[in-house]
Amino acid sequence: QKEVEQDPGPLSVPEGAIVSLNCTYSNSAFQYFMWYRQYSRKGPELLMYTYSSGNKEDGRFTAQVDKSSKYISLFIRDSQPSDSATYLCAMSLYSSASKIIFGSGTRLSIRP
Amino acid sequence: DAGVTQSPTHLIKTRGQHVTLRCSPISGHKSVSWYQQVLGQGPQFIFQYYEKEERGRGNFPDRFSARQFPNYSSELNVNALLLGDSALYLCASSLAGDPNEQFFGPGTRLTVL
Repeated sequence: QKEVEQDPGPLSVPEGAIVSLNCTYSNSAFQYFMWYRQYSRKGPELLMYTYSSGNKEDGRFTAQVDKSSKYISLFIRDSQPSDSATYLCAMSLYSSASKIIFGSGTRLSIRP
Repeated sequence: DAGVTQSPTHLIKTRGQHVTLRCSPISGHKSVSWYQQVLGQGPQFIFQYYEKEERGRGNFPDRFSARQFPNYSSELNVNALLLGDSALYLCASSLAGDPNEQFFGPGTRLTVL
């Protein structure tokens, strides 16, 4: 079993829809949770960074962490074609770049 | 301001050869991390350097090595290339290694034939 599981998709939704992306994990010691966006032929870009449980909102993006269920989510409101990309969840035991475990990514396509 | 830069963009090598990948961090960033991203997978951590010293090493064979120079740029070296080394190699820089401030470069796509 992988430490971090993420549905690869592809996920296709119409423009304006609310998108829900999810990851599950097995290591209950993870404390830092991240979401990255990766466009084709580009490096990942950090979208959201959360410590421990709870919600965090930034513009159209909301990240949720449920440590009791070992489940994290990223919601995108008013989705736009420019949101079409691969979304990677990542998590870490420590606040250190060397300890990050990434999910395999979900491909998202927003239809105009 | 320039972001993280990597060279070359693409590279084709044959099995058994050696390759050197280069990374220039964002100005002022002292930590550089290297990741391998196989097609359809998330990045996997290879090395982290901070102030020219190795801070972390992932689960990769000794064929992989890296170093950081006084100007904080970095090289990743891979010896005795295998077909399975074909991947996108990503460099990320940060001020001190905190993933909250980590910025990725565009990567070097390595193809091993």
